[in-house]
Amino acid sequence: GEDVEQSLFLSVREGDSSVINCTYTDSSSTYLYWYKQEPGAGLQLLTYIFSNMDMKQDQRLTVLLNKKDKHLSLRIADTQTGDSAIYFCAERSNDYKLSFGAGTTVTVRA
Amino acid sequence: DAMVIQNPRYQVTQFGKPVTLSCSQTLNHNVMYWYQQKSSQAPKLLFHYYDKDFNNEADTPDNFQSRRPNTSFCFLDIRSPGLGDAAMYLCATSPLSGDAGDEQYFGPGTRLTVT
Repeated sequence: GEDVEQSLFLSVREGDSSVINCTYTDSSSTYLYWYKQEPGAGLQLLTYIFSNMDMKQDQRLTVLLNKKDKHLSLRIADTQTGDSAIYFCAERSNDYKLSFGAGTTVTVRA
Repeated sequence: DAMVIQNPRYQVTQFGKPVTLSCSQTLNHNVMYWYQQKSSQAPKLLFHYYDKDFNNEADTPDNFQSRRPNTSFCFLDIRSPGLGDAAMYLCATSPLSGDAGDEQYFGPGTRLTVT
């Protein structure tokens, strides 16, 4: 079965870069996603990467994928207080279901 | 705006008293999902509908049922809630058009408390 793991907490100073890491086990994953969840809210898709890519950049967000090591990371440049949230890594297998990690709580301090 | 709506946002029920959570969408997506999310845990898929086809996850308890009377609405019924069923319940939809990044669009969730 699928297994997605993330570190649970990250504290970063405002203005610095944040890097959130994720590992997954399903080599048949087609897409990998990063979702953001603010307190009391649902999940919001931030970005995704297709499994045959190794990098994707979208404004302040950079996704790196190492398919050989099954490692995914999300870098947030110039982290702001509004970036404080829980970030979930998810993989999509061929049957269109998502498997989520437990989430990384990012705290941005002034 | 097109969106996924969940009602109510907060629901309190008594131990053993049936409860229904609702989800509606204006996106006209053919797939609807129900997830259970407990504190500090990943969302766990309970089941999903592909149009009218119901797909139950193998480890979803029988206590959880779902109905999808039409494209727009999907309901989660908990027949006899236990204290362990207290969680955030998330509804999501997906177009499954086969395009890159067929993302799932999530509602804001319903926080269920069991007393």
